[in-house]
Amino acid sequence: AQSVTQLDSQVPVFEEAPVELRCNYSSSVSVYLFWYVQYPNQGLQLLLKYLSGSTLVKGINGFEAEFNKSQTSFHLRKPSVHISDTAEYFCAVTVHYNTDKLIFGTGTRLQVFP
Amino acid sequence: DVKVTQSSRYLVKRTGEKVFLECVQDMDHENMFWYRQDPGLGLRLIYFSYDVKMKEKGDIPEGYSVSREKKERFSLILESASTNQTSMYLCASTISEGFEAFFGQGTRLTVV
Repeated sequence: AQSVTQLDSQVPVFEEAPVELRCNYSSSVSVYLFWYVQYPNQGLQLLLKYLSGSTLVKGINGFEAEFNKSQTSFHLRKPSVHISDTAEYFCAVTVHYNTDKLIFGTGTRLQVFP
Repeated sequence: DVKVTQSSRYLVKRTGEKVFLECVQDMDHENMFWYRQDPGLGLRLIYFSYDVKMKEKGDIPEGYSVSREKKERFSLILESASTNQTSMYLCASTISEGFEAFFGQGTRLTVV
């Protein structure tokens, strides 16, 4: 069965600093990978996704992620964060050609300080 | 815009009550999901459905059941609510694997 690990429960960072949120997955077959963001008191929305092709994926709000098959990772990065990026970020995985089961990690709370 | 609508934002129920959480999507999506969200535990999958009348257990199905009689509606049922089911419940839908999941605003359920 597939699983997702987000090792960092909280990441504090100053405004305009770079940030990386880590995500590792476990699956014996090919997967689709996603990052979602949840702003305070709101639902989740998609930041970006990897289906196939280029391993570097660009998403909304200046975020990008790199798929690394050998390390089974899909880390999220942003070169310069803003206060408005303060939110909870979730990594998620779906297995190819399965029953579309969508599994999430435990989330990483990004807190950006002025 | 895809809309996933959950019937209640806040719900308070007593221990032992039967509770129904309703979710409706308006984009003819095949897949629908129920998650619960708890601090430090992220989103845990309770049940999902990939077609009408079809369902599969997620990671934490105990104490819950689901119903999908129509494509647009997916109901989560707590047969006998308990205090450890106090949580935020999120419904989501996708058209197929690899496609974006759309989420409802969530139902914060408190069982007293």
